Amino acid sequence: QQQVKQSPQSLIVQKGGISIINCAYENTAFDYFPWYQQFPGKGPALLIAIRPDVSEKKEGRFTISFNKSAKQFSLHIMDSQPGDSATYFCAAKGDTGGFKTIFGAGTRLFVKA
Amino acid sequence: ETGVTQSPTHLIKTRGQQVTLRCSSQSGHNTVSWYQQALGQGPQFIFQYYREEENGRGNFPPRFSGLQFPNYSSELNVNALELDDSALYLCASRVAGSDEQYFGPGTRLTVT
Repeated sequence: QQQVKQSPQSLIVQKGGISIINCAYENTAFDYFPWYQQFPGKGPALLIAIRPDVSEKKEGRFTISFNKSAKQFSLHIMDSQPGDSATYFCAAKGDTGGFKTIFGAGTRLFVKA
Repeated sequence: ETGVTQSPTHLIKTRGQQVTLRCSSQSGHNTVSWYQQALGQGPQFIFQYYREEENGRGNFPPRFSGLQFPNYSSELNVNALELDDSALYLCASRVAGSDEQYFGPGTRLTVT
């Protein structure tokens, strides 16, 4: 019930294309859903986040779509660029047990020039 | 860069030894969390510290312990190291009451 399932494991997209990464969760107590971007040798960097009372949030080329009834959320990267090549993690945070944030297993994105 | 710093960058230890990792929080951040990230996996929550006390813990044994100091810097201590403890250890800081947490670059621990 504490898991966050992320797919696909890896993704190859042409430059200018749309990258889509999906996540699903079980625990309805989760109240905050961030996405992180991680480059090799670096820590995860907060990219964009959403709360369950909002169905979509857009920041620049990055959009989160949130489906509360299906317990699913996704990240869309529009006009994907080679510099977007990184590992992306979805995550979910609940109120119980401290600030426990559960991460998905990650998606390795490669954007071909 | 987030302003969260960690030391050392890399560390090699032998099974059974003890290790201390350090984290300096971003200015103004009074809450710190520690995560373990195995190769090819997402980070796993170890514990969180606020006001120098642990107030949340993941599924990690007691040989994983921590400290938070009055200046909000913190330490992660691991006793009786096992081979499976080899991982990237990340700390993340935030302001209490905010959901946004910011990660440091991590410490790569190798246990041989």
